[in-house]
Amino acid sequence: KQEVTQIPAALSVPEGENLVLNCSFTDSAIYNLQWFRQDPGKGLTSLLLIQSSQREQTSGRLNASLDKSSGRSTLYIAASQPGDSATYLCAMRDANAGKSTFGDGTTLTVKP
Amino acid sequence: DAGITQSPRHKVTETGTPVTLRCHQTENHRYMYWYRQDPGHGLRLIHYSYGVKDTDKGEVSDGYSVSRSKTEDFLLTLESATSSQTSVYFCAIRETAGGHYEQYFGPGTRLTVT
Repeated sequence: KQEVTQIPAALSVPEGENLVLNCSFTDSAIYNLQWFRQDPGKGLTSLLLIQSSQREQTSGRLNASLDKSSGRSTLYIAASQPGDSATYLCAMRDANAGKSTFGDGTTLTVKP
Repeated sequence: DAGITQSPRHKVTETGTPVTLRCHQTENHRYMYWYRQDPGHGLRLIHYSYGVKDTDKGEVSDGYSVSRSKTEDFLLTLESATSSQTSVYFCAIRETAGGHYEQYFGPGTRLTVT
């Protein structure tokens, strides 16, 4: 069974800091990996999608990387802002079963 | 925004009663999903649909049924609600672009079973 782990579960940083969120998965048969943002009481907003053939994707201050050999993806947030405070989830889509497995998320707090 | 709405957004119901949650999409997506989100368990797939009248089970399907009689609507029914089904339920669609798949989520339904 595919497992997706996000460590740490919570992270607090001062405004302006660059930070990295981690996502680990157990099965290398990955189709794609998607990063989401979730604000309290809200749904999930897609941030970045990395296909298995790609190494990274960038959107504004966000950069997501994928290393299939080590079973790891990272989400890099540059120059963090209080508005970045949210829970960030990663989801790995299995190439064989065609289903997605989600991590439990990392809750980020950016302090002014 | 993939044009996904869910109704109701909040519901409180009693143990043993049937409950139906609705997911509505406006962009003719073929694949639709129901997930539940619980602390410590992340999002778990309940059921999904790959077309009208075509559905399949996810990892936590016991106690739930689904129906899809038209492309735009995917219904999730709790046949006899239990307290363990208190959760936040999310509907999602799969968008296909250039041969790649990406999921988009609705705003969620918070269900409390007393």
